[in-house]
Amino acid sequence: QLQLQESGPGLVKPSETLSLTCTVSGGSISSSSYYWGWIRQPPGKGLEWIGNIYYSGSTYHNPSLKSRVTISVDTSKNQFSLKLSSVTAADTAVYYCNVDSSGRLSYFDLWGRGTLVTVSS
Amino acid sequence: DIQMTQSPSSLSASVGDRVTITCQASQDINNYLNWYQQKPGKAPKLLIYDASNLETGVPSRFSGSGSGTDFTFTISSLQPEDIATYYCQHYDNLFTFGPGTKVDIK
Repeated sequence: QLQLQESGPGLVKPSETLSLTCTVSGGSISSSSYYWGWIRQPPGKGLEWIGNIYYSGSTYHNPSLKSRVTISVDTSKNQFSLKLSSVTAADTAVYYCNVDSSGRLSYFDLWGRGTLVTVSS
Repeated sequence: DIQMTQSPSSLSASVGDRVTITCQASQDINNYLNWYQQKPGKAPKLLIYDASNLETGVPSRFSGSGSGTDFTFTISSLQPEDIATYYCQHYDNLFTFGPGTKVDIK
């Protein structure tokens, strides 16, 4: 059974780069069925889609974040990663990794537990 | 950009009540609409995809309907474990979530 687990620093300084990794277990990140992605949720607020990546490397990003976001896949480690540059306090949120197994980039049917990242000096 | 609105923003109902949440898109989105449940401190969970399809393992008291701009999510008989915030989500190479509806037990 596919499982996802986020990891990374819980505290990032303003203007620096937030880096998170999602480790995939119970399946291959190279599967042609899956789109891997990230969603975030500021404390007490709603959900915001960040972006997705296909195993081939094709990426899809939220236009509001696109210039600051890099999503990549490491097939050797069965992981995918998120980098968000030039962070501010507004980037403080719980970050969830997820997978879309529909094969058509339409819904998120499995999520990690989420990891809180706080941006503060 | 397509905007998603939900109503109500919160509701309180009794165990056994029928609960209905609506989601409206700012333009026609066909049936490209999903519903998620998020319990406090937990990750969201997919309940309904493509407006009306029940995700595997989700109780049948949950249902969805609609097409175009107006969509409805229904809990036919509210249970204590259904206390959560419910989000609609549109997809079309981009993903947009509604603001959420918080459901409490009266």
